[in-house]
Amino acid sequence: GESVGLHLPTLSVQEGDNSIINCAYSNSASDYFIWYKQESGKGPQFIIDIRSNMDKRQGQRVTVLLNKTVKHLSLQIAATQPGDSAVYFCAENISNTGKLIFGQGTTLQVKP
Amino acid sequence: GAGVSQSPSNKVTEKGKDVELRCDPISGHTALYWYRQSLGQGLEFLIYFQGNSAPDKSGLPSDRFSAERTGGSVSTLTIQRTQQEDSAVYLCASSPWRGTDTQYFGPGTRLTVL
Repeated sequence: GESVGLHLPTLSVQEGDNSIINCAYSNSASDYFIWYKQESGKGPQFIIDIRSNMDKRQGQRVTVLLNKTVKHLSLQIAATQPGDSAVYFCAENISNTGKLIFGQGTTLQVKP
Repeated sequence: GAGVSQSPSNKVTEKGKDVELRCDPISGHTALYWYRQSLGQGLEFLIYFQGNSAPDKSGLPSDRFSAERTGGSVSTLTIQRTQQEDSAVYLCASSPWRGTDTQYFGPGTRLTVL
């Protein structure tokens, strides 16, 4: 069945280090992927997205990499800050269906 | 501009009661989505409205769940005869006009069924 999974439930990094959060997806028909950040008590906040015709996209301090061969998505956060502490979800959209399939989430803890 | 808003922010109800949760999408957004998030879990798709098209209800877990979207704007998610397993955060999102556009989420409604 459709599934999006994250490799690690919790990632702990030192402030200033780079963070890498990984995600595996299973549906080859997925053509759009999004990373969301969710802080406690809030709804998910859009971070960055990528379409399947790309393999890399950069934003401010964040980079998303897409490897369609192995169905793998990663989020890289440069110079991680305490404000980056949150749960990060990857999500996939299956070719114009409209609905997103979310992974379980990775908790990022930033140590000062 | 204003983001997606949801009300109430918290709702406590007794088992067997009906509840209504409201979502106000971003003005001008034609697509609206409902998701459910159980404690410590990812988001589970419930239903999707796109303009005047028939909604995609494929994620609704039972016939106790229903949703409406009036005038292409505000949406109400109704849960009838609530059960304890319905306890979760219910999130609404909207996007400009088509399914592959970025979805912007509201803060959610935390539902607790006693």
